[in-house]
Amino acid sequence: GQQLNQSPQSMFIQEGEDVSMNCTSSSIFNTWLWYKQDPGEGPVLLIALYKAGELTSNGRLTAQFGITRKDSFLNISASIPSDVGIYFCAGYYSGGSNYKLTFGKGTLLTVNP
Amino acid sequence: DVKVTQSSRYLVKRTGEKVFLECVQDMDHENMFWYRQDPGLGLRLIYFSYDVKMKEKGDIPEGYSVSREKKERFSLILESASTNQTSMYLCASSLEPNTEAFFGQGTRLTVV
Repeated sequence: GQQLNQSPQSMFIQEGEDVSMNCTSSSIFNTWLWYKQDPGEGPVLLIALYKAGELTSNGRLTAQFGITRKDSFLNISASIPSDVGIYFCAGYYSGGSNYKLTFGKGTLLTVNP
Repeated sequence: DVKVTQSSRYLVKRTGEKVFLECVQDMDHENMFWYRQDPGLGLRLIYFSYDVKMKEKGDIPEGYSVSREKKERFSLILESASTNQTSMYLCASSLEPNTEAFFGQGTRLTVV
């Protein structure tokens, strides 16, 4: 199947710092989604992107759909302790099933108060 | 807000038992999904349904079946539970193809 390369795998930052993570693929994507998952919980949708170049914010979070449609990034500004968790990118790639999401392997974020 | 509710947070079942995992969504979504999540393997799609009584195999359907008798409810059935089915099971729903999926809180199933 298609691969989504998500980086970094983990980050350890100080409270107040900004964070950036990204996902890349060799395939063109029609939709990019960003999720956060807390331990023992289901993923929670943060941001959905549907158009190349689209830049969308949700509070301190900002995500962009890459112009090439092969990548996306998520930025978190002024991190706080409750930002701790695993962040996943996901998407539907062009030519694939319209129902099957492809997931990145996640970025584990740790915030030191 | 979309709400996807899974009937149990934690389940412990014995090998060979028939296990039912229930999922209900309250947003009139057409599509519903069952995933399992395992360390190092990520989220893998078991089955999905794009309409009532319609179902499609995902990437790992072996050992599972599903039922969708009503639009809001999607059940995952483990016909004869085995220890390798110990996992976190996640239900999700979406309104249309190629759109955002909303997940339930997950069911941690342990088969002993």
